[in-house]
Amino acid sequence: DTAVSQTPKYLVTQMGNDKSIKCEQNLGHDTMYWYKQDSKKFLKIMFSYNNKELIINETVPNRFSPKSPDKAHLNLHINSLELGDSAVYFCASSQEQRARETQYFGPGTRLLVL
Amino acid sequence: DQQVKQNSPSLSVQEGRISILNCDYTNSMFDYFLWYKKYPAEGPTFLISISSIKDKNEDGRFTVFLNKSAKHLSLHIVPSQPGDSAVYFCAASDTGTYKYIFGTGTRLKVLA
Repeated sequence: DTAVSQTPKYLVTQMGNDKSIKCEQNLGHDTMYWYKQDSKKFLKIMFSYNNKELIINETVPNRFSPKSPDKAHLNLHINSLELGDSAVYFCASSQEQRARETQYFGPGTRLLVL
Repeated sequence: DQQVKQNSPSLSVQEGRISILNCDYTNSMFDYFLWYKKYPAEGPTFLISISSIKDKNEDGRFTVFLNKSAKHLSLHIVPSQPGDSAVYFCAASDTGTYKYIFGTGTRLKVLA
């Protein structure tokens, strides 16, 4: 009964390819997020969706396109992958889009671009 | 521009002793702080939080202290247990932005 799940867990691909990472939450939350943890271990927010509406978009290259088909899903599509995209990507969710909401994280997707 | 800093990348403590993890921040607008714990190959899990109107919050073996004037918070774990071995992330937010800024984490190793 995983609360926030991501697929795949590992992704190894070549530069220039297009790939998607899927995220699903079964907590009934309204808000979902994508974070990137780079090689320096910084965990930085990329996007936030509330009820399928984009709320936060942190100066992320437009090669990254989040898609939220419904409240329970937030997928991340990455075009023309670059070496610098190698990182761990975490999906998270919270009950609402408001201050002080606890965020629940998925297990992460380890992306390696060769 | 690293607004939340955890200057100790790692810490080792004997089982039963106190673990103290530190976090500093630079943005005086931050008014809510959290600690997350992360095991290998898992996502971060929420541990404890504190609002800027308090200077201490306690939950079982975990206590978070906030020193607003020093822009510093710390997490105390007493007594430390081997199962506490993990990476601990400090995070901060201000009410206006609804997003958390995370530190780079401190790896805690509790030795049996």
